[in-house]
Amino acid sequence: AQTVTQSQPEMSVQEAETVTLSCTYDTSESDYYLFWYKQPPSRQMILVIRQEAYKQQNATENRFSVNFQKAAKSFSLKISDSQLGDAAMYFCAPPLKGAQKLVFGQGTRLTINP
Amino acid sequence: NAGVTQTPKFRILKIGQSMTLQCAQDMNHNYMYWYRQDPGMGLKLIYYSVGAGITDKGEVPNGYNVSRSTTEDFPLRLELAAPSQTSVYFCASSRQGDGYTFGSGTRLTVV
Repeated sequence: AQTVTQSQPEMSVQEAETVTLSCTYDTSESDYYLFWYKQPPSRQMILVIRQEAYKQQNATENRFSVNFQKAAKSFSLKISDSQLGDAAMYFCAPPLKGAQKLVFGQGTRLTINP
Repeated sequence: NAGVTQTPKFRILKIGQSMTLQCAQDMNHNYMYWYRQDPGMGLKLIYYSVGAGITDKGEVPNGYNVSRSTTEDFPLRLELAAPSQTSVYFCASSRQGDGYTFGSGTRLTVV
């Protein structure tokens, strides 16, 4: 079965601090892409960051970076200098069977305290 | 550039009614998807398509049907609506290897 686990249902952090959201997954694919998505209260799904599994270098997008451990099937998201606008549900999305289809974790609700 | 357009945004159905959720994209993406999101949960894949004329089941296809006659459109049909189909439905599209572009979602309530 294709599974993804986000073990932190809720996280909170002080504004300007750093927070890391964890994700582990199981896949039989060898060449694939992984994603983190953000869902604010507007419910719009917004792509945060993309990682190519065949690349050893961890992806970075401004204040967002990942720690990708392919052998351990771990894909955590680090948010630096947290801002109030970062408050949202965050979903890890590794591939479902067939590399182009994604399976979504249950999400981590991130609260930013001013 | 509209991206992915879903209609309607909200709908209330009575048990046993049918309806079609519309989805259109203008980015010439080959891949299109339908997901549902139950309250407090992640997204579950209902159906997907890798191109016009080709569709396949996802994790939770029962009670739904799809068609893909053009690259742009990927409607989702609900037959004989049931309360268990109360959810938020998302359509998405992508190119190979890229992240999804999502529509804004349809909130469906079956009463």
